[in-house]
Amino acid sequence: AQKITQTQPGMFVQEKEAVTLDCTYDTSDPSYGLFWYKQPSSGEMIFLIYQGSYDQQNATEGRYSLNFQKARKSANLVISASQLGDSAMYFCAMREGRSFGNEKLTFGTGTRLTIIP
Amino acid sequence: ETGVTQTPRHLVMGMTNKKSLKCEQHLGHNAMYWYKQSAKKPLELMFVYSLEERVENNSVPSRFSPECPNSSHLFLHLHTLQPEDSALYLCASSQREGLNNEQFFGPGTRLTVL
Repeated sequence: AQKITQTQPGMFVQEKEAVTLDCTYDTSDPSYGLFWYKQPSSGEMIFLIYQGSYDQQNATEGRYSLNFQKARKSANLVISASQLGDSAMYFCAMREGRSFGNEKLTFGTGTRLTIIP
Repeated sequence: ETGVTQTPRHLVMGMTNKKSLKCEQHLGHNAMYWYKQSAKKPLELMFVYSLEERVENNSVPSRFSPECPNSSHLFLHLHTLQPEDSALYLCASSQREGLNNEQFFGPGTRLTVL
């Protein structure tokens, strides 16, 4: 079974609008962490935001926020006021507590976001 | 140099060649990783080194051979590769302790096997 599911292979969004990228996950481990990465065409994976399974509040980092719904096992990324430079692939990833010591990250298939001027 | 660097950025090799990919991290991390990124597939973890010891090998073919001589350097030795091994190979590093420690990635090596 897929541990990380990103159902949107591609999205087109008008500049300055907000965008939500979907991510659902599957784990039986009560302790886990969720990550979002951005991959521009240059190839480098850039860390955006982190949410821990025990965190009481949704994570925020500048224009990025994470809509964490634990009961639904979803961790959607919200980008406010999108910019042309936000055009990239976006990956959701999970680290489970049982992997402590080797930090294994499981990635989804990604969403290609294109911002339209 | 800062962050995670990888060389070469692009590599074209024949199936009978032997080459090596190099990764270096300048972040003081104690865990390093090799990932393979193929088109339309999730990022695949290949190898994990924690405190310079290999702790994970996700059933990678023996034609890929990792080496971690110290906590700052990681190599991936390649020999007798197949065309389906063509992909972007990403190196990453992190602190091993702590669930919230993000992995920092290098720019990748774009490998083409002819």
